[in-house]
Parts: sequence; C-alpha cells; structure tokens
Amino acid sequence: QSVLTQPPSVSGAPGQRVTISCTGTSSNIGARYDVHWYQQLPGTAPKLLIYGNSNRPSGVPDRFSGSKSGTSASLAITGLQAEDEADYYCQSYDISLSGVVFGGGTKLTVL
Amino acid sequence: QVQLQESGPGLVKPSQTLSLTCSISGGSISSGGHYWSWIRQHPGKGLEWIGYINSFGSTYYNPSLKSRVSISADTSKKQFSVKLSSVTAADTALYYCARGYDRTNWFDPWGQGTLVTVSS
Repeated sequence: QSVLTQPPSVSGAPGQRVTISCTGTSSNIGARYDVHWYQQLPGTAPKLLIYGNSNRPSGVPDRFSGSKSGTSASLAITGLQAEDEADYYCQSYDISLSGVVFGGGTKLTVL
Repeated sequence: QVQLQESGPGLVKPSQTLSLTCSISGGSISSGGHYWSWIRQHPGKGLEWIGYINSFGSTYYNPSLKSRVSISADTSKKQFSVKLSSVTAADTALYYCARGYDRTNWFDPWGQGTLVTVSS
C-alpha cells in the first residue's frame, strides 16, 4: 500500500486531456512538501516529468502540467499522443516517515 | 551531464547480502549537495525508496528496510553502493540509482536499472 494514492489506470483518446491525481496526507503533501512526477515508458527507467509541483525540466513538452492543492496534486496531459502511453508516478517527502514516498503509479492508455 | 550506471550480480541466494554499485559520470558525489539514492521496483509494481547518502556521508534509509540496508560512497572512484542483507524472494526487483536534488525533492537523473533476482 503506497503512502500516496493514485488511480491504477486512466485512458483517453488521442488529442484529449487526462488528469492523474495523487492524494496524500498532512504528513507529506499537506505538510507543504513539493510533489514531483515521473514518466516511465515500457522497459525504461523513470524520467523526471514535473518537479516542484508545476515545473517542467528542459525538453518536457508544455502539454504536461502539474498542480498542487492541500493534500493532493494532479498531473494534466493535454493533446494526448500515442507516445504518452506509460506509467506515471508521483513522489513527495513524508515527515512522519522521515523519507521519500511514491504513489503506486498510474497506467495511461491512449485509446 | 551527469549519467549513472548500476552494476552488480543479477542473482543472489536467499539469506545472502545483495551488493550493487552505481558509477557516476559527468559529476561527483562531493559537489552540489545532492543526495545519491537507491530506489527499487518490484516486478510489475511501483517504486520504493531504499535510501540515500549525501556529500557529507550522511545516510538516510527507508524505515521498512533500515535494519538490513547500508549505503556507502567512494568519492575517489565516483561510486556509491548499497548493501541489503538477509535477502529473500521479496527483494527480487529492478534496482535503480538516482541523484536526489536534495533530501526532500526530486530524483534526476536515474540509471537504467539492474534486475536482481533472489533465488537458490
């Protein structure tokens, strides 16, 4: 059971917009620790997608955006493309555990 | 540009100690205040933080693994390592090394990962 809760799967047609939620508690996201997002394409290592709640590393398309409010965060992907089909993970820090925590991951299927 | 590469045995017997090394190119452990990290992924499952070491040699571990894990660094060789003792089949996973921006923030870059199977 992951500390951060994500939906197991989401799907959307090409060109559509999807969102992936990440729900935490007052010990992590609610404690004002930032949320970061990773994209893991099949058979590859995770890649940083969003850092500091809403910042994109160089090279990440602006179709990807992140937000945070209270004890939750969201990743939005607009203009869905087939190449976006991957697993997405959120990550934060938990003060009670004194350590890094991840969400269980969300599999995005592009229909 | 920093790149990371994991290395170590792909097969470990139950009750033995798993040992992996991460080699750093394009950077060094002693610069930047980063946290050099180990993360694992059980087959078909999510990511689990194992622990990290910073440039001062301070280590921090996942409480669930703390009694069995040790992370160390060799700055001269630009490597850091993880040892996990008393392994069982539940430790079979893909092990990644990654650079943490700092203690509470993101990981980037990641190594490609190395699969470790625990089996007799």
